Amino acid sequence: NAGVTQTPKFRILKIGQSMTLQCTQDMNHNYMYWYRQDPGMGLKLIYYSVGAGITDKGEVPNGYNVSRSTTEDFPLRLELAAPSQTSVYFCASSYPVLVPGQGAPEAFFGQGTRLTVV
Amino acid sequence: AQKITQTQPGMFVQEKEAVTLDCTYDTSDPSYGLFWYKQPSSGEMIFLIYQGSYDQQNATEGRYSLNFQKARKSANLVISASQLGDSAMYFCAMRETNTGNQFYFGTGTSLTVIP
Repeated sequence: NAGVTQTPKFRILKIGQSMTLQCTQDMNHNYMYWYRQDPGMGLKLIYYSVGAGITDKGEVPNGYNVSRSTTEDFPLRLELAAPSQTSVYFCASSYPVLVPGQGAPEAFFGQGTRLTVV
Repeated sequence: AQKITQTQPGMFVQEKEAVTLDCTYDTSDPSYGLFWYKQPSSGEMIFLIYQGSYDQQNATEGRYSLNFQKARKSANLVISASQLGDSAMYFCAMRETNTGNQFYFGTGTSLTVIP
């Protein structure tokens, strides 16, 4: 199983450029997430989606946009890249709800995208 | 207020010894889940163990166990018989039902296993 696939793995952008980070999952998960991880820090939620056509802001949405046209894909768009967006970006997906006795509803992560804005 | 607090930025443990990584959480939701992830230097996020708020027993997965103290809102990870390959960052996370099932992560603990 592929799980969660992110592309690209590495990217260098110039200030003001735009790009799309791709994320696709083959587990038929309703929930998908985008996180960023700054050096030495935990993960901060950028956007999340509870299903196709539904997205919502997380803790740090400014400078980003998302769309969810299918269950499988959840691309993250960076408009007008800034040095503050230099980070590692993780896409994740999960089962929809916590159900007692169902088992672990953990988030499955992609390999991450290391983005540098110069 | 922070949803997840990890107060140990760095920990050292001797190989073959046990180590406890601390995690406290804050929620008013009666239905929530607690997770631990390992992030080695290669960067991927590896799921280790899960504890549901309604689970009566502490979760165990091989050498990992979760010391769940609901009244104290703590979910400490215990790694027994540490191995050199356990050296990594460890993140505690919580998922609540009433906030859209988001995952909240702590700032992590860097564990170094000493030979």
